[in-house]
Amino acid sequence: GAVVSQHPSWVICKSGTSVKIECRSLDFQATTMFWYRQFPKQSLMLMATSNEGSKATYEQGVEKDKFLINHASLTLSTLTVTSAHPEDSSFYICSARSELAGVYEQYFGPGTRLTVT
Amino acid sequence: GEDVEQSLFLSVREGDSSVINCTYTDSSSTYLYWYKQEPGAGLQLLTYIFSNMDMKQDQRLTVLLNKKDKHLSLRIADTQTGDSAIYFCAESIQGGKLIFGQGTELSVKP
Repeated sequence: GAVVSQHPSWVICKSGTSVKIECRSLDFQATTMFWYRQFPKQSLMLMATSNEGSKATYEQGVEKDKFLINHASLTLSTLTVTSAHPEDSSFYICSARSELAGVYEQYFGPGTRLTVT
Repeated sequence: GEDVEQSLFLSVREGDSSVINCTYTDSSSTYLYWYKQEPGAGLQLLTYIFSNMDMKQDQRLTVLLNKKDKHLSLRIADTQTGDSAIYFCAESIQGGKLIFGQGTELSVKP
């Protein structure tokens, strides 16, 4: 149980184009999902908290117009990188929060490797 | 602000025990987590400990929590080559967010 998928697993796009990444909780409902960014050999940096049915909450320094987040259902959140540039190349990981018997656990997707040329 | 610190590297021999250490700053953290990340993959939840616990054991994994010193450790007994990965500790803060350490790269030599 508690499986989170991401699609695509990797994508290469040209500078100036937009890319959409999907995050799905496959066997549980998640009112809250999180989007992280990870640079090589570094830790995960939280970008935003995605809440079903409401606007995402962005961390300081993250451009909300650049990284559009939509949490349309209890099992799907999407991250769209708009007008991508080479500096947006990174590993993007989502997580979905599950609550069971009062215990919160976060389950992570396998990540999406974005390369902007 | 919140901060989580880990040592960056640990090298052990197969069969030995590995101990990965972590310190955190937010004393109000409810849960503390250990995740494993293999190359090019996402994070796998290994275990977690509630802040009112001192120890939790799950098969080869033992988590120790010293809340007074804000120190968390993960012990892996009988470490295998398949345990080679990066291990992240994380503390939960308000809103369910996780603050991650830098990750400890565990290298297991045969």
